[in-house]
Amino acid sequence: DTEVTQTPKHLVMGMTNKKSLKCEQHMGHRAMYWYKQKAKKPPELMFVYSYEKLSINESVPSRFSPECPNSSLLNLHLHALQPEDSALYLCASSRKPDRGKEKLFFGSGTQLSVL
Amino acid sequence: GQQVMQIPQYQHVQEGEDFTTYCNSSTTLSNIQWYKQRPGGHPVFLIQLVKSGEVKKQKRLTFQFGEAKKNSSLHITATQTTDVGTYFCAGLKDNYGQNFVFGPGTRLSVLP
Repeated sequence: DTEVTQTPKHLVMGMTNKKSLKCEQHMGHRAMYWYKQKAKKPPELMFVYSYEKLSINESVPSRFSPECPNSSLLNLHLHALQPEDSALYLCASSRKPDRGKEKLFFGSGTQLSVL
Repeated sequence: GQQVMQIPQYQHVQEGEDFTTYCNSSTTLSNIQWYKQRPGGHPVFLIQLVKSGEVKKQKRLTFQFGEAKKNSSLHITATQTTDVGTYFCAGLKDNYGQNFVFGPGTRLSVLP
């Protein structure tokens, strides 16, 4: 199994809603990532979890709250988002938290629309 | 800044023509990775280059890392419609994995 699975594939939410994005991998990878990708732009790093601990937060607003319940799962909790937060949210994993030296496996993403 | 630049931004080719995208950094890179993202898809890892002057081939794709480790290129020979997508380089600017940045990408269209 060399897949990173993300759910849901699409999400529409209002600015007062609370929702969660989920990501799962069963490759035994010990690093997991959340990226945000706007249309026609490269992925931008949001968070990195290394061995289930948050190791990097790229100054992401607190309305985005990551969680890593175990080594296979990664969640992104969303609350009081703004329309400009609409984007493709990509989860990725790597064998070790050695970003740039280990290849990233990306999930297919959650296309989020905030109304 | 920590920018990695790519040119061209867009490229339209006729099927069968060759294609090259270039990745440039103002600072030396520890290594570089290339990813391909199909329209509506997610980035997929293609290759990693580590050594100065390194050249790697994957079928019709040839990847090069510059001697100074500040630039890299991806060349596709005889493009096919399956090559359509955006090609991103991603560079590591230090040995600690913290400064790993994606270039803006080159979007390739292949006309049949």
